[in-house]
Amino acid sequence: QQQVKQSPQSLIVQKGGISIINCAYENTAFDYFPWYQQFPGKGPALLIAIRPDVSEKKEGRFTISFNKSAKQFSLHIMDSQPGDSATYFCAARVYNNNDMRFGAGTRLTVKP
Amino acid sequence: EADIYQTPRYLVIGTGKKITLECSQTMGHDKMYWYQQDPGMELHLIHYSYGVNSTEKGDLSSESTVSRIRTEHFPLTLESARPSHTSQYLCASSGRGHVGELFFGEGSRLTVL
Repeated sequence: QQQVKQSPQSLIVQKGGISIINCAYENTAFDYFPWYQQFPGKGPALLIAIRPDVSEKKEGRFTISFNKSAKQFSLHIMDSQPGDSATYFCAARVYNNNDMRFGAGTRLTVKP
Repeated sequence: EADIYQTPRYLVIGTGKKITLECSQTMGHDKMYWYQQDPGMELHLIHYSYGVNSTEKGDLSSESTVSRIRTEHFPLTLESARPSHTSQYLCASSGRGHVGELFFGEGSRLTVL
């Protein structure tokens, strides 16, 4: 069963717009929530991560919003650029556990 | 940029062939992983290793096997490839200094005819 549900499957945004990708989870033991970015022909790379003791984390144009009570977290990309076009995966893991659970990915296209 | 390498990047083979996908990392990471990636699907963990001589199966049933004789090397072997094995295989590693962060290789795309 899919432990991390991600939506949308694909997203098209105009340059300068805001891209929003959502994820939901069920396992309350998860306490580490990273987002990975994958360009075609490359492996995923860590973009930003959050622990549930904070509701928001911002790094440059990328922000994670976290709602512990709703068991949801989202990635916001401000001022989206064509170079942001990639597949984004949310993930969740029990701290210090090897078992990272990934969402199904969102293919983001930013049109110039 | 992560120092984790996978070979071959692309492989097309016939049914019944034995194949080995190579993965090496130069970061001295104890933990290494193999994930299977199919379009529109989540990454599925098929094998992982805590260190030398340690290997475990992941949550996705796989007919592949792995070995960990050296810290830096974590090859995956399919004794008899089938079309159902067609997929992208991603190798990853993680170390104590990067809690939670997985470093991925660029993947090996396998096509079995």
